[in-house]
Amino acid sequence: DSGVTQTPKHLITATGQRVTLRCSPRSGDLSVYWYQQSLDQGLQFLIQYYNGEERAKGNILERFSAQQFPDLHSELNLSSLELGDSALYFCASSVGVIDTQYFGPGTRLTVL
Amino acid sequence: GNSVTQMEGPVTLSEEAFLTINCTYTATGYPSLFWYVQYPGEGLQLLLKATKADDKGSNKGFEATYRKETTSFHLEKGSVQVSDSAVYFCALSRGGGADGLTFGKGTHLIIQP
Repeated sequence: DSGVTQTPKHLITATGQRVTLRCSPRSGDLSVYWYQQSLDQGLQFLIQYYNGEERAKGNILERFSAQQFPDLHSELNLSSLELGDSALYFCASSVGVIDTQYFGPGTRLTVL
Repeated sequence: GNSVTQMEGPVTLSEEAFLTINCTYTATGYPSLFWYVQYPGEGLQLLLKATKADDKGSNKGFEATYRKETTSFHLEKGSVQVSDSAVYFCALSRGGGADGLTFGKGTHLIIQP
């Protein structure tokens, strides 16, 4: 158990819908990262927050957004969902911005 | 940009065989290098890491040495077990933590009894 929690574990929704994925980092970690794992793209970095502020962006679509709240938990919002958004979404956390990242168990999103 | 290349497999070995999974990288500056493991139905677990050239990371019998001259970070284990069956990911992060991890495509390892 890494100490990073993600909810829900599974999510099934329809095209065009909007969903919110939630992540709670390890106690004491200030950085949160979001990754997408799909069969065709592999594991891709989406976005990083540090202590409430966006720090780095990766291959995140404009339909996706994230935020980190004062209690340091983070949410990833996915809107106008397409079939191709079906994937595993992982959250990771680290103490600072250059420390080892620890991954949560992931949320499996299925878009029908 | 940064990239990581690793053999995709599946790699099938017999129990107690010697394991090598090759990983090479392209990056500017002095990245940190990682191996993560993903067991079926689970998230990624950090296996080992190295933060500078010639560092050797080790854990649970696995080892990898950061070779700057060959831009490689090959994973090795002397005697694999059935429980080592999983997907192994090589990854790098740029020095300074300016962005997330860049992952290879993963190597599916199957150990047969």
